[in-house]
Amino acid sequence: DAKTTQPTSMDCAEGRAANLPCNHSTISGNEYVYWYRQIHSQGPQYIIHGLKNNETNEMASLIITEDRKSSTLILPHATLRDTAVYYCIVRVVVEPLGAQKLVFGQGTRLTINP
Amino acid sequence: GAVVSQHPSWVICKSGTSVKIECRSLDFQATTMFWYRQFPKQSLMLMATSNEGSKATYEQGVEKDKFLINHASLTLSTLTVTSAHPEDSSFYICSATEYEQYFGPGTRLTVT
Repeated sequence: DAKTTQPTSMDCAEGRAANLPCNHSTISGNEYVYWYRQIHSQGPQYIIHGLKNNETNEMASLIITEDRKSSTLILPHATLRDTAVYYCIVRVVVEPLGAQKLVFGQGTRLTINP
Repeated sequence: GAVVSQHPSWVICKSGTSVKIECRSLDFQATTMFWYRQFPKQSLMLMATSNEGSKATYEQGVEKDKFLINHASLTLSTLTVTSAHPEDSSFYICSATEYEQYFGPGTRLTVT
């Protein structure tokens, strides 16, 4: 079973920052927080991941609370192409990486409005 | 970045026939690939873990004799849906790991 809780849907205006919350209150010390998104009828796309510290890449920022029980994915300047289902996943990362399966929850359906 | 392809992108078959779906890692080698299934308006459900050179590991409730998985090389895994029925109609997605897990574009199977 998925170990995360996310809102079913969210709306955001184009050009604004989209903040997607995720609760993972039972996360273990060796589990990372991963975010993927799935645009309609496509395979999921990796966005970002983190363990304790906040992370930023060219796509998004990930803010993890100090107790690690929740996190927020931030799309700084949302565009219409960011409309997708966003999945927050917790997983252990050990070698070999290839052995790590992902358990998807229901995700958040984010709609970017013009 | 790592690219995973699937073929075909969509397929229509008649009930009772078998369908093979290919998953390839184009620019990296993957000893492990994963197969997921997704029904309309639902999340992805892991079906099986495909291991190069060995038998696949199936998730609980997934019939291994119906969904045959072969991982003959480090860049190719195949999923064969045998004796397909309309309830097997779904979106099938594979993934492979290079640092992170990357997904293919998916294959939409319609069984008539």
